[in-house]
Amino acid sequence: DAGITQSPRHKVTETGTPVTLRCHQTENHRYMYWYRQDPGHGLRLIHYSYGVKDTDKGEVSDGYSVSRSKTEDFLLTLESATSSQTSVYFCAISETGSGSGNTIYFGEGSWLTVV
Amino acid sequence: GENVEQHPSTLSVQEGDSAVIKCTYSDSASNYFPWYKQELGKGPQLIIDIRSNVGEKKDQRIAVTLNKTAKHFSLHITETQPEDSAVYFCAASSSGGSYIPTFGRGTSLIVHP
Repeated sequence: DAGITQSPRHKVTETGTPVTLRCHQTENHRYMYWYRQDPGHGLRLIHYSYGVKDTDKGEVSDGYSVSRSKTEDFLLTLESATSSQTSVYFCAISETGSGSGNTIYFGEGSWLTVV
Repeated sequence: GENVEQHPSTLSVQEGDSAVIKCTYSDSASNYFPWYKQELGKGPQLIIDIRSNVGEKKDQRIAVTLNKTAKHFSLHITETQPEDSAVYFCAASSSGGSYIPTFGRGTSLIVHP
C-alpha cells in the first residue's frame, strides 16, 4: 500500500466551525490531491497540488482551501463547515503530473459529518 | 473538459457469472484509462489500466478493452467471486498538461454466492 495517512479518520463538527484534514505521504510524490466522495457523484476533485506551495482548484473547490508547506503534507481546510460538506474525503498522490500512466494512489479516507 | 459516463450504476450477478462495466469519454485527447476497485470503508485501489496504443489488456480474471474510435472502454470480470463485490470506478486522462483524471460515478457490483 502507498504510504498515505489521513487524519482524522472520523470527525463530527458543528456548522460554522473550521475544520482541517491532514494528508501525510511517505512516497515523496510530487502531486497530491483532495477528493470528496458522495453517493451518486463518484469522486470529485476539490484541490490539488503539484509541488510545495503550488496548488490549483478542482471542480468543487468552493468553501475549501488547501496548503502545502512540505512535500509530504497536504492540508484541506473547510473555513466554515456546512452540512453540504458532510462527505468522505480522500487524499491521493501521484509521482508526476505529466504524461500518461501515472498511477494515482488513494488514502483510506476521512469521514466528516457536519451537524 | 473531459466527461466520463459509467454504466450501470448497480450490477448484480451470481457467483461464477461474468460482469461487464462500460465507460464512455468525451475528450479524444485522453490516452490513459485506469480502473479502480473500492471495498467498503476503504480507498479506491488501481486494479488494471490501459493506454491508447493498446486495444485489450488482461490480468487473470480481469480484462479491459478500449475502442478509441467510439471513445469507450469496458471492464470485464470473469468467473466472479463474492470478494469481487465492491464499487468500481473508471477514469480517463490525457498526457497534455497535468495529469488530472476524470472519474466515472462508479458501479456497485454485487456478487451473490
